[in-house]
Amino acid sequence: QKEVEQNSGPLSVPEGAIASLNCTYSDRGSQSFFWYRQYSGKSPELIMSIYSNGDKEDGRFTAQLNKASQYVSLLIRDSQPSDSATYLCAVNRRDSGGSNYKLTFGKGTLLTVNP
Amino acid sequence: GAGVSQSPSNKVTEKGKDVELRCDPISGHTALYWYRQRLGQGLEFLIYFQGNSAPDKSGLPSDRFSAERTGESVSTLTIQRTQQEDSAVYLCASSLVGLAGPSSYNEQFFGPGTRLTVL
Repeated sequence: QKEVEQNSGPLSVPEGAIASLNCTYSDRGSQSFFWYRQYSGKSPELIMSIYSNGDKEDGRFTAQLNKASQYVSLLIRDSQPSDSATYLCAVNRRDSGGSNYKLTFGKGTLLTVNP
Repeated sequence: GAGVSQSPSNKVTEKGKDVELRCDPISGHTALYWYRQRLGQGLEFLIYFQGNSAPDKSGLPSDRFSAERTGESVSTLTIQRTQQEDSAVYLCASSLVGLAGPSSYNEQFFGPGTRLTVL
């Protein structure tokens, strides 16, 4: 099982709809979870971080974390064409040696919002 | 304040040459990270600095790759005897503190990257 898994997409939604992006992770000891947005040809931009079970809302974005199911998601309400990008899930966990933490990225989901 | 900066933004080199890539972290950020992203691929971790020590070098792909950091400031990633497979975007990120338990202080912020092309 991959450490951090995301559906590569593309996920296509109409403008104004809710886009739902999902991420699963393998290490039950993972403690911090991040969503990055990466536009084509640009570097990743942090948009949400979440550390405890439940929902965290910031504007049109909601991150949801379920540690029991090892699942984190990102909802984008009222999707806009400018939201079209690759969304990367990142998980902070201890490495196999136990002495260091490591941030592991999923390969990303390409979201396309159609006008 | 200013974000993470990287230079050069683009570098074209010939196979076998050495290259140096530079990263200036956000002021006050003690931790610095290097990643590589090949075209159409995910982010590949290379090395992590806490201050000027490197607790995790596990991602460096070969001994042709090395990195150093001066204090809690600039870092340089050096690739010796470049190969065509080294062609990628090299991304640098910094965070207020190093990776640890759940805390917003270890949120990583990325620079614009250096696009390296080895001919």
